[in-house]
Amino acid sequence: DVKVTQSSRYLVKRTGEKVFLECVQDMDHENMFWYRQDPGLGLRLIYFSYDVKMKEKGDIPEGYSVSREKKERFSLILESASTNQTSMYLCASSPSGRAVDEQYFGPGTRLTVT
Amino acid sequence: LAKTTQPISMDSYEGQEVNITCSHNNIATNDYITWYQQFPSQGPRFIIQGYKTKVTNEVASLFIPADRKSSTLSLPRVSLSDTAVYYCLVGGANGGFKTIFGAGTRLFVKA
Repeated sequence: DVKVTQSSRYLVKRTGEKVFLECVQDMDHENMFWYRQDPGLGLRLIYFSYDVKMKEKGDIPEGYSVSREKKERFSLILESASTNQTSMYLCASSPSGRAVDEQYFGPGTRLTVT
Repeated sequence: LAKTTQPISMDSYEGQEVNITCSHNNIATNDYITWYQQFPSQGPRFIIQGYKTKVTNEVASLFIPADRKSSTLSLPRVSLSDTAVYYCLVGGANGGFKTIFGAGTRLFVKA
């Protein structure tokens, strides 16, 4: 079974802090994704990576950056956390870059910024 | 990217068949239709995918008419544990990573 793990289920941070969300997948997938999920808005793509050290912006990249130094690990960074970044963050991976491919999701990290 | 439109919510009772319809008028020739299911406090999980006509697996059936401008996810004899949000997505097999999840359909199954 594909496993995607996220470093924390719940996280509380203060405004202005630098926040790191870590995601690890164990299936040697090429692609990894970061989404945020807010009530009534579904999942929105923040960034994705199609290879080590490669990244592309999604629909809402502002205020975020990412890092992929190893194939299995994809980190989301909030450079200076703000209250409007309080959300559920979901990481996913897929075998290739095709939109038709199944994405495997982690359990999510619920981030609260106070 | 083809956008999708689904009902925001649906209610059902245990044992009933539930059909959730998704509209995707701008679907491209090489797009597939994929459905995901998300339980509370979990990430979405893939349940079914199709290109045309009908696809069935152990979880659901997917009906796609000839014009492919809509699709219907059918859940037979739902139980309380089928209470979840269901997302319809369209995406191509010829490259392009982006998928649009939208707000999904919140299905609530009552006893």
